[in-house]
Amino acid sequence: GENVEQHPSTLSVQEGDSAVIKCTYSDSASNYFPWYKQELGKRPQLIIDIRSNVGEKKDQRIAVTLNKTAKHFSLHITETQPEDSAVYFCAASWETSGSRLTFGEGTQLTVNP
Amino acid sequence: GAVVSQHPSRVICKSGTSVKIECRSLDFQATTMFWYRQFPKQSLMLMATSNEGSKATYEQGVEKDKFLINHASLTLSTLTVTSAHPEDSSFYICSARVAGNYGYTFGSGTRLTVV
Repeated sequence: GENVEQHPSTLSVQEGDSAVIKCTYSDSASNYFPWYKQELGKRPQLIIDIRSNVGEKKDQRIAVTLNKTAKHFSLHITETQPEDSAVYFCAASWETSGSRLTFGEGTQLTVNP
Repeated sequence: GAVVSQHPSRVICKSGTSVKIECRSLDFQATTMFWYRQFPKQSLMLMATSNEGSKATYEQGVEKDKFLINHASLTLSTLTVTSAHPEDSSFYICSARVAGNYGYTFGSGTRLTVV
């Protein structure tokens, strides 16, 4: 089955700096790659996703890049703010309707004021 | 948008008792529901996949007789933790994929504490 690895496990940045979180996946059939932000005790919230037919997607301060050949994708957050502090998870899945999401181990992002 | 309602949000139970967690899709039909478990400071680990009207598929290492999943309708899936023990204390969360959409919608999660 799919295996998703995520690095780093913790990331501390100063407010205004950029943050980058990287993930690799094992199953070349995976074609949907979402990123989630999870605050303590709450459900994961989708912040951005990318499908395998594109290499990059941007939404304001957040961007995701995908390298299908290398089977890795990254989350980029620019101009970080204290409210960006949370745990971020990458995930991967197939296109089929019954496919499950496989999550990375998570990154605890701390943005220091 | 697609909403999954999960109840209860928190439950405390005694060792040996059973607890039922419900997930309802409010504005769509969830043919497939995924059940995850999340221990503190860890990732979401898939426990089982349930399909409406058929038996759930459990991940390796998950006891199907302990974690009973029922998906009797297109809008309701339930997870029952039977004979709960303190090590079952965790955050349980359901997720459904909306037909024709790559996206997944999550329930709000259930914090189970077994004392």
